[in-house]
Amino acid sequence: GENVGLHLPTLSVQEGDNSIINCAYSNSASDYFIWYKQESGKGPQFIIDIRSNMDKRQGQRVTVLLNKTVKHLSLQIAATQPGDSAVYFCAENSGGSNYKLTFGKGTLLTVNP
Amino acid sequence: DAGVIQSPRHEVTEMGQEVTLRCKPISGHNSLFWYRQTMMRGLELLIYFNNNVPIDDSGMPEDRFSAKMPNASFSTLKIQPSEPRDSAVYFCASSFGVGAKNIQYFGAGTRLSVL
Repeated sequence: GENVGLHLPTLSVQEGDNSIINCAYSNSASDYFIWYKQESGKGPQFIIDIRSNMDKRQGQRVTVLLNKTVKHLSLQIAATQPGDSAVYFCAENSGGSNYKLTFGKGTLLTVNP
Repeated sequence: DAGVIQSPRHEVTEMGQEVTLRCKPISGHNSLFWYRQTMMRGLELLIYFNNNVPIDDSGMPEDRFSAKMPNASFSTLKIQPSEPRDSAVYFCASSFGVGAKNIQYFGAGTRLSVL
């Protein structure tokens, strides 16, 4: 699909397993982070976001962890389902006059039934 | 809510032709973003509007690209003249609030092919 890059990291899991998708960010001034899911042929869909004053945030079946010391973000999906198969993007923003969400390259998650 | 609506979904055109992409943001949202997605460069912000005013157009590639938001419910992205390297998927997203620290809701995109 259009959203798969030549060097897109991939993660393959069995249905029912937990998935962990990792993301490294580069800007130490970033204070807002967000995860999007993109299915083939569709636009990115919001999953969960977190601000830098937190290190963990939970949603429905998803948890985002933020480690500012090593500039690392992770998305955990519990009891992964076939419908979770998609490309997952992390994005960051440093605020101020920066209106850009800087997106990572994405990770392709494949859930095997 | 119908979400962000983009048209057309697919556009095939020849080099040199004018292309106009359209976007209807979610009602009540006051921020609108245009993005371009390619395999090589990923998702890139082209331009950001707040309350119909262009705030940041630093991502617009060159003068061939222009964007307008004549009212709160409609925006266009125009490429004139189009070139093969403009081939990409173009997304429009809207949000409520100012800047990028609010959830952006994306449309389904327009897949542009310039031959």
